[in-house]
Amino acid sequence: GAVVSQHPSWVICKSGTSVKIECRSLDFQATTMFWYRQFPKQSLMLMATSNEGSKATYEQGVEKDKFLINHASLTLSTLTVTSAHPEDSSFYICSAGRAGETQYFGPGTRLLVL
Amino acid sequence: AQTVTQSQPEMSVQEAETVTLSCTYDTSESDYYLFWYKQPPSRQMILVIRQEAYKQQNATENRFSVNFQKAAKSFSLKISDSQLGDAAMYFCAYRDQGAQKLVFGQGTRLTINP
Repeated sequence: GAVVSQHPSWVICKSGTSVKIECRSLDFQATTMFWYRQFPKQSLMLMATSNEGSKATYEQGVEKDKFLINHASLTLSTLTVTSAHPEDSSFYICSAGRAGETQYFGPGTRLLVL
Repeated sequence: AQTVTQSQPEMSVQEAETVTLSCTYDTSESDYYLFWYKQPPSRQMILVIRQEAYKQQNATENRFSVNFQKAAKSFSLKISDSQLGDAAMYFCAYRDQGAQKLVFGQGTRLTINP
């Protein structure tokens, strides 16, 4: 299967700072990337859908000014958690795919806000 | 809106035995895809098996097979000859044919007893 990477895998930051998470498709061009949030022992919650060259589509209840998503190329999407607070601590997962094809998931990023 | 339900929060099986994980879904669409993903302790999401709704034949991948009942909107996963490495969270997921967005079930935690 195709490979999707995320960086960093672990990040600890102070409350009020911003954190950027990168998602890259390493061996294919992804027209669409997705960002999920997962709390312990729960399912994946879709936050937003990101299409290359256009604005991300956010799910209901997700603050677009809080979670900034950029999809500048067919291989890179970034999620920036702005002014992070302890309640933003979570596991963030990206996935990437092409229209009509299977999504491939990154290994996830664990964010801890102190 | 489409929904996916996994009614078994936890399952356990003896090593080398067979286990079946249940999944039901609700949709008004006739063309769609169904997936089973595995999430081991590393939290990397791994595609286990995929089923196209238009195919009557059940998908199989080595020790993994599905029982797809379209009329009943049921999509169960059978794991034969269970191995210790099969221990993980298993998520059932649905996707419309024309869409990229996945809808996940709540997950089933599978434990393998040696």
